[in-house]
Amino acid sequence: GAVVSQHPSRVICKSGTSVKIECRSLDFQATTMFWYRQFPKKSLMLMATSNEGSKATYEQGVEKDKFLINHASLTLSTLTVTSAHPEDSSFYICSARDRREESTDTQYFGPGTRLTVL
Amino acid sequence: AQKVTQAQTEISVVEKEDVTLDCVYETRDTTYYLFWYKQPPSGELVFLIRRNSFDEQNEISGRYSWNFQKSTSSFNFTITASQVVDSAVYFCALSVLSGAGSYQLTFGKGTKLSVIP
Repeated sequence: GAVVSQHPSRVICKSGTSVKIECRSLDFQATTMFWYRQFPKKSLMLMATSNEGSKATYEQGVEKDKFLINHASLTLSTLTVTSAHPEDSSFYICSARDRREESTDTQYFGPGTRLTVL
Repeated sequence: AQKVTQAQTEISVVEKEDVTLDCVYETRDTTYYLFWYKQPPSGELVFLIRRNSFDEQNEISGRYSWNFQKSTSSFNFTITASQVVDSAVYFCALSVLSGAGSYQLTFGKGTKLSVIP
């Protein structure tokens, strides 16, 4: 149980284009999903918290107009990197919290999406 | 503010050796959760364990064991008889309830474990 998928796993795009990344909880419902960014050999940095049916909460320094988050259902959250630039190249990881485990904040992570912007 | 320190950046051991990964945390909250995650080269973070602040019992799961000591604010992770498949980056994480009523997960910088055959 507690499987989270991400699609695509790898994407290469041209500078100026937009890229959408999907995060799905496959066998549980998630009222809350999280988006992280991980630079090479670094720890995970929380970008935003996505709540089903409401606006995402962004961490300080994260541009909400650049990283659009939509949490349309209890099993799906999407991150759209708009007008991507080479500095947006990174490993993006989502996580989902099982609504049955809300009080413990156990997050289950997706396999990540490696974005390369040329 | 919360902080998680994993002082060991990289560790190398020979297969079948035991290895302990250190984790020290800082928080003023009395209620919190501690986690360990494994990130193999494929990139996916694998949940290993969750421990709440009121449960100081040590836990063993197969070759894995965890030692939680509130007195020293440590939550160390030991792998017994290490195997090549244990090679990965291991993250310790701390979760506390923020003032806004939501949990905030803070990760350590990770320890890269290499198990040499």
